Amino acid sequence: DGGITQSPKYLFRKEGQNVTLSCEQNLNHDAMYWYRQDPGQGLRLIYYSQIVNDFQKGDIAEGYSVSREKKESFPLTVTSAQKNPTAFYLCASSHRGNYEQYFGPGTRLTVT
Amino acid sequence: DQQVKQNSPSLSVQEGRISILNCDYTNSMFDYFLWYKKYPAEGPTFLISISSIKDKNEDGRFTVFLNKSAKHLSLHIVPSQPGDSAVYFCAARPLTQGGSEKLVFGKGMKLTVNP
Repeated sequence: DGGITQSPKYLFRKEGQNVTLSCEQNLNHDAMYWYRQDPGQGLRLIYYSQIVNDFQKGDIAEGYSVSREKKESFPLTVTSAQKNPTAFYLCASSHRGNYEQYFGPGTRLTVT
Repeated sequence: DQQVKQNSPSLSVQEGRISILNCDYTNSMFDYFLWYKKYPAEGPTFLISISSIKDKNEDGRFTVFLNKSAKHLSLHIVPSQPGDSAVYFCAARPLTQGGSEKLVFGKGMKLTVNP
C-alpha cells in the first residue's frame, strides 16, 4: 500500500527547542515538499527537494532546515529561530515532471 | 503578493444543487491548474486538474473551467453531496526553466453542503 506517512500526528514542544518532523514515502517519487498551513493562510511552501542530496528554499524557509539523504525521506527541523512554529505541517511528493502532488496526513505542532 | 486568489472564504449550498468555487490568478506563466480537497486534520487530496491549453475538464460530478483572458478558473460540483463538505484549494504550477514541480496555492474555500 503506497503512500506518504508523517509522524507523529500531534507534537508538543517547549519554546526554544528544535523539533524534527518525519516524512516518508514509498511511492518512488523523486520530488518532496514541505508546506505549512495556518488558519486563513492556505498552504505555504517551506522547502522542496527534486532529487536526493539537493533541496531549495520555498517561500517561508526562515527558521527551518531539511535534509534529503534518501529518496524516501525528507525530514523537516523546526528550529528555535522560527518565530511562530505552531502550525499544521504537510509533506507532499510527486514524480519529477508531474504537477500532481500527493500529501501526507500532516503533523500538528504546538509550541508553548 | 498572492498569485492565486480564492476571494470567498466559504460557500454553503443545498444537497443536489450546484456548487461553484472560484479562483483568480495574476501570473500568466502558470501551465497547470489543480483543485485539491481537504478534510480537517488530514492532508489535501487531488481532485481535478486542467492544462492551460484547455478551457474545460470534466471528471464525473466535477468540472473545471479555465478562462485565460480573465485569469479565472472555477470548479463546478453537480450534484453537490454532503460528503463534498470540505475546504477546497486552488493551485497553479508556474512554468519555469528546469521543470520545477512547485505549486502555488490559494487560501482555500470552505464548502458546506447541507442535507
